[in-house]
Amino acid sequence: DIQMTQSPPTLSASVGDRVTITCRASQSIGGWLAWYQQKPGKAPKVLIYQASSLETGVPSRFSGSGSGTEFTLTITSLQPDDCATYYCQQYNTYSPFTFGPGTRVDIK
Amino acid sequence: EVQLVESGGGLVQPGGSLRLSCAASGFTFSGHYMDWVRQAPGKGLEWVGRTRNRVENYTTEYAASVKGRFTISRDDSKNSLSLQMNSLKTEDTAVYYCVVWIFGRGFWGQGTLVTVSS
Repeated sequence: DIQMTQSPPTLSASVGDRVTITCRASQSIGGWLAWYQQKPGKAPKVLIYQASSLETGVPSRFSGSGSGTEFTLTITSLQPDDCATYYCQQYNTYSPFTFGPGTRVDIK
Repeated sequence: EVQLVESGGGLVQPGGSLRLSCAASGFTFSGHYMDWVRQAPGKGLEWVGRTRNRVENYTTEYAASVKGRFTISRDDSKNSLSLQMNSLKTEDTAVYYCVVWIFGRGFWGQGTLVTVSS
């Protein structure tokens, strides 16, 4: 199975800061990566699919980039509503569509 | 609009069985892969299993943690996905989500809670 890692595990930043979360795959997944935002008690919300495509209705301050084994999710100007846990998920192969362990984002 | 609505969750004793359902609408159900994903309380997301579409003979695969105990099935005539869970363990306690993959995009339901406890 393809293993996914995320860094950092937690992140504390100020409103307006630029925030970057990194996701790495244990082998190349091309561009088959999604990013999710999850708030307590809610289902995950798709932010980005195919590594860099913004899901409909998601604010443009969110962006995704990368290919192969290294990917990033960037929030250009952190807002209070962005406090959540963020997960990446690879969906490249016929093996399990594995998830990263998550990154919790807090406001300082 | 793609909609997925899970049902069937509840409290079950260890060793028991439960069947979850997912009602789908807003897309051509028969054409797409369907997954189950779960999330234990306070934990991350875990892929549970998948059923492929008719073209790929509805083949299924499962996470090692549930293989042999869980069975995924689908009824394309009813736009419905099921997860039959047998020999349940306390560690199967989680919110269970159904997910459909449509042209490289994943769409999720709101989830149903399964609690395995005596």
